Amino acid sequence: EDKVVQSPLSLVVHEGDTVTLNCSYEVTNFRSLLWYKQEKKAPTFLFMLTSSGIEKKSGRLSSILDKKELFSILNITATQTGDSAVYLCAVEGGAQKLVFGQGTRLTINP
Amino acid sequence: NAGVMQNPRHLVRRRGQEARLRCSPMKGHSHVYWYRQLPEEGLKFMVYLQKENIIDESGMPKERFSAEFPKEGPSILRIQQVVRGDSAAYFCASSRQSPPASDGYTFGSGTRLTVV
Repeated sequence: EDKVVQSPLSLVVHEGDTVTLNCSYEVTNFRSLLWYKQEKKAPTFLFMLTSSGIEKKSGRLSSILDKKELFSILNITATQTGDSAVYLCAVEGGAQKLVFGQGTRLTINP
Repeated sequence: NAGVMQNPRHLVRRRGQEARLRCSPMKGHSHVYWYRQLPEEGLKFMVYLQKENIIDESGMPKERFSAEFPKEGPSILRIQQVVRGDSAAYFCASSRQSPPASDGYTFGSGTRLTVV
């Protein structure tokens, strides 16, 4: 059965800190790995990763995929209170559906 | 571009009633997916539809749940004879193609169903 595990489940840091969120997976016929940010509404798309070792970057957020070791990380530098959210990792396998991890709840304290 | 529109945002039903959840995909998107998020759990795939076709319903409970995406109008997720365990957030996502291009799947804001 396809499986996605995120760690940590919860993280509390101070504004300005850098955080690294982890996502490991086991899936047949890997197609892509996606990161989403979920506040009290729609999960918002952050990144889609398909190739190993190629960093994707958007402002203070960046992500990279390691298909050999079956994991991805999401980095957020110079965190702000607006970064507080649940960050979801999902993997798309052979079928057109996403398998989600439990999410990491990130809290940024001022 | 209005994005993926779901309604209602909140729905309260008594046990035994029917719940109808609606999803209008983004303009230009013809692929619709439904996910369920139980409290303190990740999103779980339910069903994938294209216009007038169910492509994959492997995540749908065998009884009481059905989904459709008619030629005209929104996609509907229908839950008959709701029970307390159906209380969850139901999210709809859409994509222009399947599998999606680099913009991934776009999610709606969800419908929070509460069964009392």
